[in-house]
Amino acid sequence: KAGVTQTPRYLIKTRGQQVTLSCSPISGHRSVSWYQQTPGQGLQFLFEYFSETQRNKGNFPGRFSGRQFSNSRSEMNVSTLELGDSALYLCASSLGIAGLTEAFFGQGTRLTVV
Amino acid sequence: QKEVEQNSGPLSVPEGAIASLNCTYSDRVSQSFFWYRQYSGKSPELIMSIYSNGDKEDGRFTAQLNKASQYVSLLIRDSQPSDSATYLCAARSGSARQLTFGSGTQLTVLP
Repeated sequence: KAGVTQTPRYLIKTRGQQVTLSCSPISGHRSVSWYQQTPGQGLQFLFEYFSETQRNKGNFPGRFSGRQFSNSRSEMNVSTLELGDSALYLCASSLGIAGLTEAFFGQGTRLTVV
Repeated sequence: QKEVEQNSGPLSVPEGAIASLNCTYSDRVSQSFFWYRQYSGKSPELIMSIYSNGDKEDGRFTAQLNKASQYVSLLIRDSQPSDSATYLCAARSGSARQLTFGSGTQLTVLP
């Protein structure tokens, strides 16, 4: 079956602009989590959505937001981009949010802010 | 203190040897633990999950969990150059049960 699909794969934006990233989870999976990965900070949790509701949120400024649609697809938005937002943004798909749930990652979106 | 800690390495082992990767976690109520492999420029790939104390084997990989010591490890037997990657340990912890990652251990298997 199809894996987690993230679009676009690569993106170059200018400081001050905004960006929207998309994630389609594995069919049947209802939870989507977003992570930011940078060489210095590793994998940092952004937020998690389940059944169109944000269930968890990491320590990121309000410029980072997300949503989930009824078909479980999710988008994340970053407004007023800063150079430090350059990173690999990863989406992970899970069946649910229970403690034993495995998470599977998409290929990521590489965002470069110039 | 980070919630999930790993030796950052780098760790080098010769081909055919056993590679041992270690991870500790701080949240005692953590329920589930995962090992991911990430090749350079790629996304993390789930290779093992473990929920109960003891060992879990899958092919050349063995995950070990000791909840009393808050310790998780991954053993890779008969290491191959293709195993060269960064290995990420993750735990579902806290009341929110979000998945928290360690900083990763870079493994190099020398031919």
